[in-house]
Amino acid sequence: ETVMTQSPLSLPVTPGEPASISCRSSQSLLHGNGYNYVDWYLQKPGQSPQLLIYLASSRASGVPDRFSGSGSGTDFTLKISRVEAEDVGVYYCMQVLQLPYTFGRGTNLDIK
Amino acid sequence: QVQLVQSGAEVKRPGASVTVSCTASGYSFTSYYIYWVRRAPGQGLEWLGLINTKSGTPTYAQNFQGRVTMTRDTSTTTGFMELSRLTSEDTAVYYCARVGGYTGSEYYGGMDVWGQGTTVTVSS
Repeated sequence: ETVMTQSPLSLPVTPGEPASISCRSSQSLLHGNGYNYVDWYLQKPGQSPQLLIYLASSRASGVPDRFSGSGSGTDFTLKISRVEAEDVGVYYCMQVLQLPYTFGRGTNLDIK
Repeated sequence: QVQLVQSGAEVKRPGASVTVSCTASGYSFTSYYIYWVRRAPGQGLEWLGLINTKSGTPTYAQNFQGRVTMTRDTSTTTGFMELSRLTSEDTAVYYCARVGGYTGSEYYGGMDVWGQGTTVTVSS
């Protein structure tokens, strides 16, 4: 199965500062159609996960533009331009190209 | 509004089976896949499988092959996930989520709507 390696696993951030999470896959997630099948999700405490980014760089409806996704092939990044208190939670990357679909271990973002 | 509403919490004995339901409203049920994901205590998210709600064809993660069954009822716009031969390691919150488009499609849109989660506890 495709392994998704996330880093860091813990990310303390000062409000207003930027944050970045890396996700590396064990196989290329670039489809022949030119799209990378990588999603990013945030699970806030006590809530269901929510979609942030799909197809590596497309922001989901209603997601603030301080969130952005980039990358291709095996290396992907989620960036938050200015972290706000409401961004705390666990962030997951997920590949949806190779069965079984797999998640990274998660990055726990909290506020300093 | 668009929503997925899951069935309530379950407590099961080891070796038993559990069925979780996921009722959709506010959108065309058969235009989206239903994915199932779980999160065990202290663990990350784990994908169990999906069902094509139009054809009824499921696709399961290998780890759950032979133990999981996913079905749907288009008349009630409900998806079902049954997990059998439960052990304590199956204690988790189980989620359903809808997905538009399939892998390989430019219309793939991620798991954009999630159910509220169903807690399944396996204990003797």
